[in-house]
Formats: sequence, C-alpha cells, structure tokens
Amino acid sequence: GAVVSQHPSWVICKSGTSVKIECRSLDFQATTMFWYRQFPKQSLMLMATSNEGSKATYEQGVEKDKFLINHASLTLSTLTVTSAHPEDSSFYICSASESRGNTEAFFGQGTRLTVV
Amino acid sequence: GNSVTQMEGPVTLSEEAFLTINCTYTATGYPSLFWYVQYPGEGLQLLLKATKADDKGSNKGFEATYRKETTSFHLEKGSVQVSDSAVYFCALSASGGYNKLIFGAGTRLAVHP
Repeated sequence: GAVVSQHPSWVICKSGTSVKIECRSLDFQATTMFWYRQFPKQSLMLMATSNEGSKATYEQGVEKDKFLINHASLTLSTLTVTSAHPEDSSFYICSASESRGNTEAFFGQGTRLTVV
Repeated sequence: GNSVTQMEGPVTLSEEAFLTINCTYTATGYPSLFWYVQYPGEGLQLLLKATKADDKGSNKGFEATYRKETTSFHLEKGSVQVSDSAVYFCALSASGGYNKLIFGAGTRLAVHP
C-alpha cells in the first residue's frame, strides 16, 4: 500500500506551548487527509477532515482554534496543538486518501503527545 | 448515533488456533464495514472490508461477513500464526467510502508458539 509518514513519533512539551505534527503522503497525492485522536484503551475518534486547499471540517466538540489544521499541499498536512495542556496528551493519527475519501485511506504511524 | 462495539482483549491464542473477534455496529442506513490491523510500531492497515449486506471480505486468511440482521461483522481466521499478533480494529463508514470512519476500541491479539 501507499506510505504515509507522520512526524514526530513522539513529543513532550511544556504546558502552554504549541506543538506541530506533520503528516506526509510519500508516494501519492493526498486530496483528503483525516486527523484522529486516540485515548488509552479507547477507539480512534475523528477530529477533522481536510481537503487540499480548503479549510478543514471539524467534528462536533473539537475546538478548531486549539487544533489548527493546514493542508496546503497534496502531500502535507499539519496539525498544530496550540497552548497545549495536560488534557491534550494523547495519540494523534493521520490518514490520507487520494480521492476525497472514496479510495483507501492510508494511515500514519501516529504521534504520542505528552504535555507536562 | 453511529457506533462500533468490539470484544475487549487481550485475546491470547496458541499458534494454529481458531480466531474470532466479535464486532457489532449501530448505524442508520447501509454503512461500509472494515477491519484494520495495527502491527507493533506501525500505522493501521486495511485488512478487509465489505460494503453491503451478505458481502464477505477476506484477506490473508482472515474473513468477515456483513450481517445486517445481526448488525455484526465478526473477524475470523481458521489457523492463526505468531505473526498475526497485533491490534485489530473494526470500523464503519456511514458517509461513503473511507470518510468519517468510526472505530471500535480495538482488540489486542497475542499468538504464542
């Protein structure tokens, strides 16, 4: 399958700082990227869907000003957690689809964020 | 709302044992159903899928049948291997294709020689 690379794999940051997570499609053009959050022993929860060149669509309950998503190119989307707090500590996962979700979405390996 | 419930793990089996991981769903309409697998240190990979009732998805010896009457999509494999040790996620999409996937909590499978 196609390769989606997520960076960093893990990050520790201080409370109040911002953290940026990158999601890259390495061998295909990702028209659509999805961002998920996973709490320990819980399922992945979709946070937002972004189409290249458009504003992201956030799921209900997700603060768009806190979780800034940029999808400025067909191979890169970024998630910035602004003014992070300990409750933002979680596992963040991206996936990318070539055709607005109509073709298989390939997943990155995830980023473990710990806010101290 | 739409949701997916799958059996809690971990599931521990000996090599060559039969595997069943239960998955049931709640959804309006006719969702597409998926099983994903996550091997240690890797991202989720699509294992199999089914898009309509009575469809059977299969891959790598795994199979699951879309049962609308019981709203289930149980994962089965006749003879597991140590290399099948991973976390398995059941998921649905009620929005078409791979959009807005809703995942179960995941079931960890450990296979011992």
